[in-house]
Amino acid sequence: EAGVAQSPRYKIIEKRQSVAFWCNPISGHATLYWYQQILGQGPKLLIQFQNNGVVDDSQLPKDRFSAERLKGVDSTLKIQPAKLEDSAVYLCASSWPPGQPLNTEAFFGQGTRLTVV
Amino acid sequence: EDKVVQSPLSLVVHEGDTVTLNCSYEVTNFRSLLWYKQEKKAPTFLFMLTSSGIEKKSGRLSSILDKKELFSILNITATQTGDSAIYLCAVEARGETSGSRLTFGEGTQLTVNP
Repeated sequence: EAGVAQSPRYKIIEKRQSVAFWCNPISGHATLYWYQQILGQGPKLLIQFQNNGVVDDSQLPKDRFSAERLKGVDSTLKIQPAKLEDSAVYLCASSWPPGQPLNTEAFFGQGTRLTVV
Repeated sequence: EDKVVQSPLSLVVHEGDTVTLNCSYEVTNFRSLLWYKQEKKAPTFLFMLTSSGIEKKSGRLSSILDKKELFSILNITATQTGDSAIYLCAVEARGETSGSRLTFGEGTQLTVNP
């Protein structure tokens, strides 16, 4: 079974520039998460989709962060403009929705390490 | 607001030692508690716990959940240098509208020295 794919693996940008990350979840997984993990901290949920609908974006800094999952499969996360404190690893994860017979844990991609200078 | 607290935040042991990692939580509409191991980037799944008092084992790792006291422990016996990683605890809770939400703790950084 193919895992969660993310790209790019690394990105270095200057502050005030824009950046976009891409995630392709495991086939059939309706739930998709974007997490931000700052060095030394646990992952913090930015946004959660179920199919192409947003379930939770309460911790997404909406003045600069946006995410979409138009067809309910791939997702992109954008930061515009970036700040120094956005330097982190951005993790995408996917899972079956709860209540389904195949409800499982969330599977994570390798993440994108963003450095804002 | 959901809260997941792990302790200790970091731990340094020698090979062969046994370690116990702790996770306490406060969430509404609890579904499950999950443990992940994070070595480089992607957390990898270890255990999913839904019922109290039932120990889950995988080799030298084991975990148990106490839903009354709202905590879980992860035990690693006969530690090896390859066990060095961040161990993340996450709690899945039923969302208010639909789906579920997954909240992580800060993680425990385990270092196993030869």
